[in-house]
Amino acid sequence: DVKVTQSSRYLVKRTGEKVFLECVQDMDHENMFWYRQDPGLGLRLIYFSYDVKMKEKGDIPEGYSVSREKKERFSLILESASTNQTSMYLCASRYWELFFGEGSRLTVL
Amino acid sequence: DQQVKQNSPSLSVQEGRISILNCDYTNSMFDYFLWYKKYPAEGPTFLISISSIKDKNEDGRFTVFLNKSAKHLSLHIVPSQPGDSAVYFCAASDTNTGNQFYFGTGTSLTVIP
Repeated sequence: DVKVTQSSRYLVKRTGEKVFLECVQDMDHENMFWYRQDPGLGLRLIYFSYDVKMKEKGDIPEGYSVSREKKERFSLILESASTNQTSMYLCASRYWELFFGEGSRLTVL
Repeated sequence: DQQVKQNSPSLSVQEGRISILNCDYTNSMFDYFLWYKKYPAEGPTFLISISSIKDKNEDGRFTVFLNKSAKHLSLHIVPSQPGDSAVYFCAASDTNTGNQFYFGTGTSLTVIP
């Protein structure tokens, strides 16, 4: 069965802290994605990666960076967390359709 | 600008009746469409897809219809069940130019027992 695993379901951080969100997939997919979901805004793409060490900006990359050192792992980094980054973060991988992880609910105080 | 739109934020339907969720898109190059279901505090789960070479795809109680000329797709759920209560997102992609999917803002479906 397809599996996308996000390292943390719930996190609470303080403004200015560095935050790492990690995602692992077991399907050998080349393409991996980070989205954030906010009420009334749907899912918005932050970054995606189509191969190891390759990355592309999505629609809202500001304030975020990513790392893809291994095919199965895609990390989202908030260099200095801010309150407007409080959100649900969703990792996904795909061949055809997207397979999502369970999400990471981040609260920045 | 929002390339995929779901204009109904919410929908309520009686159990056993049909639920119809709608989605409009603006980019005529989109050729692959998906529907996802999302429960609170969980990731979206894939429901059904359709490519632009078809106008209908069925999977059990779920049917997706695509009207390319109107740039419109819809998801029909028949019969609706209380467990179908969730937020439904449509998504679209231009498979010729990239990997990105564009999502609508979601429709919250409530199926009333």
